[in-house]
Amino acid sequence: QVQLRQSGPGLVKPSETLSLTCTVSGGSITTYFWTWIRQPPGEGLECIGYIYYSGSTNYNPSLESRVTISIDTSENQFSLNLRSVTAADTAVYYCARYDYGGNFFDSWGQGTLVTVSS
Amino acid sequence: DVQLTQSPSSLSASVGDTITITCRASQSVTVHLNWYQQKPGKAPKLLIYTASNLHSGVPSRFSGSGSGTDFTLTLSSLQPEDFATYHCQQSFITPWTFGQGTKVEIK
Repeated sequence: QVQLRQSGPGLVKPSETLSLTCTVSGGSITTYFWTWIRQPPGEGLECIGYIYYSGSTNYNPSLESRVTISIDTSENQFSLNLRSVTAADTAVYYCARYDYGGNFFDSWGQGTLVTVSS
Repeated sequence: DVQLTQSPSSLSASVGDTITITCRASQSVTVHLNWYQQKPGKAPKLLIYTASNLHSGVPSRFSGSGSGTDFTLTLSSLQPEDFATYHCQQSFITPWTFGQGTKVEIK
């Protein structure tokens, strides 16, 4: 059973970079799409983007100018960097596995509340 | 982006009731529509994929239907553990998008 475990700070200052890492255990990172999704307090879910083990990425156009998703297959980890954050980026951030055969998200991390505040 | 509109935004129901949640897409997503359940403080869990397929381990009281732009999630004989928020999500075209969620509360 695959498990995704997130790590990273819960507080980021405005204009700085939000950085989170997701460690995958119980399965290989060399298949599936590995994604980041966020949920602002009281709001719906928003896909930030995904990465394949080859390093190819796909980002939400609304965030593309500020986002980088990277992968380290040797550590079975993938990471999110979101630059120049504002209060509007305050949200619970989730990493998730996307099964591109079935076209769904089938495993999720535990979620990290990231608050942007000075 | 494909916009997904769920209705209602919230509803109250009793244990044993049958409820239906709808999800309407701003353009056709064929059958590439999934449903998730989310409880407070937890990540979403997959219930239904490709409009009508029950994910492994999900009770048969959950069912989904629809194609094109109109989809429904039906919960038959509500159980106490079913009170949660339900989200639809389209996987037809990136960026993959979600509905705003439907909160199912105990009456």
